[in-house]
Amino acid sequence: AQSVTQPDIHITVSEGASLELRCNYSYGATPYLFWYVQSPGQGLQLLLKYFSGDTLVQGIKGFEAEFKRSQSSFNLRKPSVHWSDAAEYFCAVDTGRRALTFGSGTRLQVQP
Amino acid sequence: NAGVTQTPKFQVLKTGQSMTLQCAQDMNHEYMSWYRQDPGMGLRLIHYSVGAGITDQGEVPNGYNVSRSTTEDFPLRLLSAAPSQTSVYFCASTDPVEADTQYFGPGTRLTVL
Repeated sequence: AQSVTQPDIHITVSEGASLELRCNYSYGATPYLFWYVQSPGQGLQLLLKYFSGDTLVQGIKGFEAEFKRSQSSFNLRKPSVHWSDAAEYFCAVDTGRRALTFGSGTRLQVQP
Repeated sequence: NAGVTQTPKFQVLKTGQSMTLQCAQDMNHEYMSWYRQDPGMGLRLIHYSVGAGITDQGEVPNGYNVSRSTTEDFPLRLLSAAPSQTSVYFCASTDPVEADTQYFGPGTRLTVL
């Protein structure tokens, strides 16, 4: 069965600093890969997705993610974090069911 | 388009009561799914459907039933609620044309006393 690991439960960065959130998946083939963001008490918003082609994908709000097949990873990055980026971030995979397997999430705190 | 709608937004049940969480989408998507979200555990797949009349179990199906009589609707039933089912429930529909992008509803916060 597929699984998704987000090893960092909680990350704190200073405003303006760079950010990298880690995601590793376990699956026999290459799944579709997603990053979602959830603000407190809110629903989920899609940041970006990878399904084929260029392994560096651009998303909304200045985020990007890089797919590395050899490492089964899909890490999320942002060069300069804004206070409004404080939220919980979820990595997810779709292995063909058209339903997602999520990681447990990484909570991002931004210090002024 | 309303997208994916869920009702109710909030619900409190007593142990042993039954209820149905409603989910509807107006995007004509064949694929729909239900998730529950618990602190520290992300979202976990309960049931999913690949079309009207076809459903399958996800990772945490126990205590929940689903049916899919129309493309638009995908209700989730709790037959006998338990405190362990206290959670936030999200319904989603999937657009296979957009690389399986999932559209999520706003969620239902359920408390079982």
